[in-house]
Amino acid sequence: ETGVTQSPTHLIKTRGQQVTLRCSSQSGHNTVSWYQQALGQGPQFIFQYYREEENGRGNFPPRFSGLQFPNYSSELNVNALELDDSALYLCASSQRRPDQETQYFGPGTRLLVL
Amino acid sequence: GQQLNQSPQSMFIQEGEDVSMNCTSSSIFNTWLWYKQDPGEGPVLLIALYKAGELTSNGRLTAQFGITRKDSFLNISASIPSDVGIYFCALRADSWGKLQFGAGTQVVVTP
Repeated sequence: ETGVTQSPTHLIKTRGQQVTLRCSSQSGHNTVSWYQQALGQGPQFIFQYYREEENGRGNFPPRFSGLQFPNYSSELNVNALELDDSALYLCASSQRRPDQETQYFGPGTRLLVL
Repeated sequence: GQQLNQSPQSMFIQEGEDVSMNCTSSSIFNTWLWYKQDPGEGPVLLIALYKAGELTSNGRLTAQFGITRKDSFLNISASIPSDVGIYFCALRADSWGKLQFGAGTQVVVTP
């Protein structure tokens, strides 16, 4: 177990709705990264949060947004859901160390958009 | 962007056999990582490689950082049923933790 928790574990939404996913980082970690993993593919980087600010973003539209709180937990928000947003959403926490940062992943939230 | 190719896509092996998989990138990177993902779980870091030519072991797992800094391989020796899962290579795309993952190698171990 990595100590990274995510909620909910599963979620079903319909097109156009909005969703909020939550992540609690491992104790002592100050950085949270979010990834999207479509079925049969590797995780794709969405963005990273450090000290409550977005620090790096992958190739995802602005309707993907996030927050990091003072206790380092984080939320991922997705607006105007599309069918292709159906995926496993993973968060990973880490302690910021340039070039040597190790990310510990949570079990993920499986989102199905109908 | 840079291409990251992982092969094979899947492997069906008998218990006790060795397994080998590899990744190649179109660019040079400073870090290669190998993760394993079990069903319903997030990826778990197996081995991290930081220097070209580096050979690192973790139990029955051995990984090497290619001398060209564009490739890496992972070997699993004497496979056992709990080796079943999806293995991913990953690169650190910048200094601050953005990881780029390969498509994964699914390993199935039969008794």
